[in-house]
Amino acid sequence: SQTIHQWPATLVQPVGSPLSLECTVEGTSNPNLYWYRQAAGRGLQLLFYSVGIGQISSEVPQNLSASRPQDRQFILSSKKLLLSDSGFYLCAWGFWREQYFGPGTRLTVT
Amino acid sequence: QQQVKQSPQSLIVQKGGIPIINCAYENTAFDYFPWYQQFPGKGPALLIAIRPDVSEKKEGRFTISFNKSAKQFSLHIMDSQPGDSATYFCAASIYSNYQLIWGAGTKLIIKP
Repeated sequence: SQTIHQWPATLVQPVGSPLSLECTVEGTSNPNLYWYRQAAGRGLQLLFYSVGIGQISSEVPQNLSASRPQDRQFILSSKKLLLSDSGFYLCAWGFWREQYFGPGTRLTVT
Repeated sequence: QQQVKQSPQSLIVQKGGIPIINCAYENTAFDYFPWYQQFPGKGPALLIAIRPDVSEKKEGRFTISFNKSAKQFSLHIMDSQPGDSATYFCAASIYSNYQLIWGAGTKLIIKP
């Protein structure tokens, strides 16, 4: 069966610091991968998606970037965090139209 | 045209009642409509999905009703339980597109 991992589970970072969130998927090959952000009590905002290694599509132009160095690894990065980057970051893997979410990373920028 | 409008924003129902959450769309190219359930602090989980060639789909106590002419679909939860308290999201997608267009979510509370 497929499993998706995200780490860390929680993160507190000062404004201006860098960010690296990692997501890995087990039990499937060549999945579509997605990064979402969810503000407190709000909906899901798609940040990036990838249909293959090195192929990244950005939905929101801001100070975040994503990379897919391996088939089942998806990384979300920032060089300098802003207060507005606080939120719940969710990675998901997809097969056809179905998407399956990881446990999420709660990021607080102070 | 790419929006999915979800209502209500929040809903409180007594145990055993039937909460109904509604979604509406404009883009007739949408052909896949899933519902996701999210508990606090967790990622959303796929609950049930429907395609426009059927008007209703049931999985356990969860039912999707689909009205193609009205461009609306809804989630019904039969015999609701306090454990069903969660945020529910509807979504839609177009064939060959890897993205889901999400509704804003409905926070459901089932009172014991």
